[in-house]
Amino acid sequence: QKEVEQNSGPLSVPEGAIASLNCTYSDRGSQSFFWYRQYSGKSPELIMFIYSNGDKEDGRFTAQLNKASQYVSLLIRDSQPSDSATYLCAVNWPSGYSTLTFGKGTMLLVSP
Amino acid sequence: DTEVTQTPKHLVMGMTNKKSLKCEQHMGHRAMYWYKQKAKKPPELMFVYSYEKLSINESVPSRFSPECPNSSLLNLHLHALQPEDSALYLCASSQGAGLRNEQFFGPGTRLTVL
Repeated sequence: QKEVEQNSGPLSVPEGAIASLNCTYSDRGSQSFFWYRQYSGKSPELIMFIYSNGDKEDGRFTAQLNKASQYVSLLIRDSQPSDSATYLCAVNWPSGYSTLTFGKGTMLLVSP
Repeated sequence: DTEVTQTPKHLVMGMTNKKSLKCEQHMGHRAMYWYKQKAKKPPELMFVYSYEKLSINESVPSRFSPECPNSSLLNLHLHALQPEDSALYLCASSQGAGLRNEQFFGPGTRLTVL
C-alpha cells in the first residue's frame, strides 16, 4: 500500500517565523522525495528534492530526510505571506520508473 | 528554462464529445507524465511515457487515450467522458524516468464535463 501522510493543517505561522512541514511514507525502500508548493488554482511547483539521509538546504528552505523513521520534513525560515500555499510531499516508490505518489498536502498560512 | 506548456487552459465538453489536451516541453526531457487532480486532492498519476513509449498506465479507463508523437509532445485524447472526470489535468516532464529525476509541471488544463 503506497501511503504518504501529511497533516492537512492549516499550519499558521507569523511572518518571519520558521514553518515546519512533516511527511511520513509507508515504503521503507523509497529512494527519492520531493516537496512541491501549490497556490490555489495553480499547478504544483517543485521547491526541494532530497535523496540521502540528512539535511539539504536551498535558500530559506531546508529538507530533512530520515529513512529509518520513514520521515521527511520541510523547514521554511523567515516565512513570508507569499509562502502561504499548500505544500505537497511526493515520494517515488522503489519501482523501475518515476511514479510519484503525493500526500494530501499541508496548507500553510503566514500572517503579516 | 523549466517550462512545460499545456493547451487549452480551460475546456468544457459534453459526454459525447471528443477532445484532446496537448502538452509540450522544450527542455530535452525524455519522460513525460499525465496527472489528474480533483479539487482539494493531490495529483494522481495516470500515465508515464519514457523515450516516447508508454511505460506506466495506472489502470486508467480507456476513455482516456494518451499519445506521444515525439519527445517534446504529449497528448491526451478524451472520448465519452463522465461528469466525474471533471478535474485539473496536469502534464509533467523530467530528464529521465528514473527515480532520481525531478518532475516539472505545466500549468494544467481545467476540464469540465457536462
